Amino acid sequence: AQTVTQSQPEMSVQEAETVTLSCTYDTSESNYYLFWYKQPPSRQMILVIRQEAYKQQNATENRFSVNFQKAAKSFSLKISDSQLGDTAMYFCAFIHGGSGGSNYKLTFGKGTLLTVNP
Amino acid sequence: DAGITQSPRHKVTETGTPVTLRCHQTENHRYMYWYRQDPGHGLRLIHYSYGVKDTDKGEVSDGYSVSRSKTEDFLLTLESATSSQTSVYFCAAGAYYEQYFGPGTRLTVT
Repeated sequence: AQTVTQSQPEMSVQEAETVTLSCTYDTSESNYYLFWYKQPPSRQMILVIRQEAYKQQNATENRFSVNFQKAAKSFSLKISDSQLGDTAMYFCAFIHGGSGGSNYKLTFGKGTLLTVNP
Repeated sequence: DAGITQSPRHKVTETGTPVTLRCHQTENHRYMYWYRQDPGHGLRLIHYSYGVKDTDKGEVSDGYSVSRSKTEDFLLTLESATSSQTSVYFCAAGAYYEQYFGPGTRLTVT
């Protein structure tokens, strides 16, 4: 079974600075997807960024980018120019891309609480 | 939110009573999911559906059942609520590679 590990329960950063959240995962498959979700105090789960394992290029969405190291099974999220609105719980998640029942299971890490300080 | 709503948004119920949570989506997604979120556990999959009347268990399915009679609706039923089922419940819909979440339901079992 796949596992997702976020080793930083909490982090803080000053407004306008850059912060990196870590995520590692374990799988024997070669075809899969990785995600970062943001959960602000409103509780809404928001998809921040997605990476397909077969793509070598790191995904980028505005101030959010990832460092995907497939061999090391590492998937970190970099937030540039941090804003107060980035304060949230961030979850790393994994799903297989192949066929079969395991296709349907999105496995989450336990989350990293990020606080952006003014 | 990709057109996903959940009802009710908050509920308090007593131990032993049945409870049904509803998820409704407007985007005609094939896949729908129910998760629970608890401190220290992230989100855990309860049940999922890959089509009308096609459902399967997730990792924490004991004490829960689901039904999907229409593409847009996915119901989660707690057959006899227990205090351990106090949690925040999220519905999601979409393709397996792109799941969008509803706003969540906070359920308290007293």
